[in-house]
Amino acid sequence: NAGVMQNPRHLVRRRGQEARLRCSPMKGHSHVYWYRQLPEEGLKFMVYLQKENIIDESGMPKERFSAEFPKEGPSILRIQQVVRGDSAAYFCASSRDPPPSGELFFGEGSRLTVL
Amino acid sequence: GESVGLHLPTLSVQEGDNSIINCAYSNSASDYFIWYKQESGKGPQFIIDIRSNMDKRQGQRVTVLLNKTVKHLSLQIAATQPGDSAVYFCAENGGQGAQKLVFGQGTRLTINP
Repeated sequence: NAGVMQNPRHLVRRRGQEARLRCSPMKGHSHVYWYRQLPEEGLKFMVYLQKENIIDESGMPKERFSAEFPKEGPSILRIQQVVRGDSAAYFCASSRDPPPSGELFFGEGSRLTVL
Repeated sequence: GESVGLHLPTLSVQEGDNSIINCAYSNSASDYFIWYKQESGKGPQFIIDIRSNMDKRQGQRVTVLLNKTVKHLSLQIAATQPGDSAVYFCAENGGQGAQKLVFGQGTRLTINP
């Protein structure tokens, strides 16, 4: 049973370009979460999605960031017009059960570097 | 507001000793707590969890203690091994109806040979 799969593992973008991060949840999991981690810091919640629905996006910046979890295919975190401050590790997690009690399983992360 | 903080950002222990990592939380509505281990370049890995109706839970070499009176959580690792070197995060759920885990800053545990 494969874990949460994220790709790319590393992504380099120049300022103003777009970054797309993909996450495939564990089999049987329909709840997906995205977190951002800056160096030497904890994980900060960004968004919680179920299939085709954004449930909680209270941690998402108002501009340039969007997330989706389509009926088919992986969840996508999209960052438009990236800036240097977007450089971070972005982790996806999935759970079988809904929050607040479902155990979260994390992927290995996508590390975005903005030049 | 919500916050989960740790008393010590770094902790060094001798191999074979026991280690204790502490965490303070501020949301009294939280009823589910988790400890995660994160090795360099990897994602957080679940270690152990505890619900608010318990004050202690044991796993293999790890014990989590919950003191709701002072909103304090600790992770005890027995007979530490080199493979225990990592950053440890506590997380709280924010209570029923909450949609996300709130993570603390983390404690870096280093095991000295």
